[in-house]
This record gives sequence, C-alpha cells and structure tokens, in this order.
Amino acid sequence: AQSVTQPDIHITVSEGASLELRCNYSYGATPYLFWYVQSPGQGLQLLLKYFSGDTLVQGIKGFEAEFKRSQSSFNLRKPSVHWSDAAEYFCAVGSNSGGYQKVTFGTGTKLQVIP
Amino acid sequence: DAGVIQSPRHEVTEMGQEVTLRCKPISGHDYLFWYRQTMMRGLELLIYFNNNVPIDDSGMPEDRFSAKMPNASFSTLKIQPSEPRDSAVYFCASSHIGHEQYFGPGTRLTVT
Repeated sequence: AQSVTQPDIHITVSEGASLELRCNYSYGATPYLFWYVQSPGQGLQLLLKYFSGDTLVQGIKGFEAEFKRSQSSFNLRKPSVHWSDAAEYFCAVGSNSGGYQKVTFGTGTKLQVIP
Repeated sequence: DAGVIQSPRHEVTEMGQEVTLRCKPISGHDYLFWYRQTMMRGLELLIYFNNNVPIDDSGMPEDRFSAKMPNASFSTLKIQPSEPRDSAVYFCASSHIGHEQYFGPGTRLTVT
C-alpha cells in the first residue's frame, strides 16, 4: 500500500529565508508525486507534480521539488519565502490503477511566515 | 473554466437533519472524488466516480452517507441523518484520466 509521511507538522520561517518541506513516500514502483497548497478557507491547489523525466520539478509561485528515488523523498523548496506563502502544504503520492490515480495525501505541514 | 464548483460553501444544521452537498466538476473530467477533511483525521477519500459510475465507496463512513452522480456535470453527497461528528470540510475534486486532481473550495459543515 502506498503512503506518505510529512514529518513536520508545523514550520516557522522568516520572510525572505529559504524553505524546505520534507516528504517521504512508500510505493513499490515509480510513483506520481504531488505537492498541494491550502490557504485558510480554501481548497487544495496544485503546486507541482512529478510523473517522470527530470527529477527536479518546477512549480507555480516559485516552488520546486526534487524526486530522490534512493531516499524515497520528494521535498519541496523555495529560495525566498514571502508572507503570502503562509498556508498548509500537502504532499501526495499517486499510482496508476486502470487509468485512475489512487492518490494518498500526507497529513500536511503548516507553514508560518514571520516578518 | 470556472474550476470545480461546490455549494453551499457553509452549512449549519441540527443533528438529525438531512444535508445535501453539491458539486459541479470541471467540464471534460471523467473522475470525481469526494473528500472529508478534519483536524483529527486529515484528508480522507470518501468515494470516487468514473464516468458517473461509483467505483469505490469504501471510504464512506456509514450508511448515513450516500453519493450520486446523475450526469457528468453534477454530483451530490447526502448525509441523513446528520450527527455532530459529521462536522468537517467536504471537498469535491475532479480529474481527467491519468492526470492530477483539481479541488473545489469545499463546504464547511457544522452539525449542532
């Protein structure tokens, strides 16, 4: 069974500092990997995805993530955090099952940005 | 496209009442998902449809929950009778085969 672990429940960073959110997955084959962001009172918005190819994936809002098969990780990074990045971030792993992507979400990491 | 549309955005009801949540998926998407999000349990998949047919409802918590998709542009999630422990944010998401899911803004349900 596939699973996702986000070890950090809550992270606080200063505005302008760099950010790395950790994500580890468990899946037998090559997974599909996603990062979503959820602002308060909003739905989940896709930041980026990895299906295949280049292991460094660029997303929206200046985010990137790197797929490391040897470490079963897909960490999210941003070089300089803005106050508007304060939100909850979800890592997810998907598998192709007859065309349907069974997606399992992590428990989320809440990001606080301080001035 | 307007994205996934959900209504109502907020629902407050009394225990024992019937609640109906509505979802309009993105046009052309052939998969529709209903999720529930709570602080305690995080994001849970309740049920999903493919081409309007329910495929997996193993996440539906009890018989009090039911979901329908009468056509490609509309789905409902019904709770009857509602209980306080059903209070949560309910999300609808849709996707095209083999692609990522797009989420609606959610319905915040409060059962008193």
